[in-house]
Amino acid sequence: GESVGLHLPTLSVQEGDNSIINCAYSNSASDYFIWYKQESGKGPQFIIDIRSNMDKRQGQRVTVLLNKTVKHLSLQIAATQPGDSAVYFCAENRARGGGFKTIFGAGTRLFVKA
Amino acid sequence: GAGVSQTPSNKVTEKGKYVELRCDPISGHTALYWYRQSLGQGPEFLIYFQGTGAADDSGLPNDRFFAVRPEGSVSTLKIQRTERGDSAVYLCASSPKDRGDYGYTFGSGTRLTVV
Repeated sequence: GESVGLHLPTLSVQEGDNSIINCAYSNSASDYFIWYKQESGKGPQFIIDIRSNMDKRQGQRVTVLLNKTVKHLSLQIAATQPGDSAVYFCAENRARGGGFKTIFGAGTRLFVKA
Repeated sequence: GAGVSQTPSNKVTEKGKYVELRCDPISGHTALYWYRQSLGQGPEFLIYFQGTGAADDSGLPNDRFFAVRPEGSVSTLKIQRTERGDSAVYLCASSPKDRGDYGYTFGSGTRLTVV
């Protein structure tokens, strides 16, 4: 079946180090991916997105890499800060009914150690 | 408003009761989505509105779940004969029409507990 999933449920990093969160997807027709950050008690927050015609996109302290050959994407956070502690979801947008439906993976919880 | 507003933030109800969850999207956003998130899981799609009509309700788990958006703005998710398995955080999100490629803006959710 189609799925978007993550390799690890938790990730612990030292403050100041770089974080890498991985995600695998199974639908080879997927052409648009998003990373969301969810803090406790809040809804998911858009971080960065990437289309399938790209293999890398950079934002502020974040980089998303897409490898279509192995259907894998990753989120890299530079100089991880305590405020980065949250659950991170990769998600796939699928066009439906004139709009888009976002399919989420299970999430990776990032712990940042001071 | 500045963001997506959901009320109530918490709802505790008895098994078998009827509940309504409300979502106020960002002003001008024509697309509205409902998701359900169980503990330790990613959000699960329920239903999507484009304007007043439900463009995709394929995620509604059964006929106890129903959602409306009569004026193309505020939406209400209705759950009849609630069951303990309905306990979850219900998230609402909105986006401008044809702007799915910018992701959604989510509300903080309504935590529903069925006892």
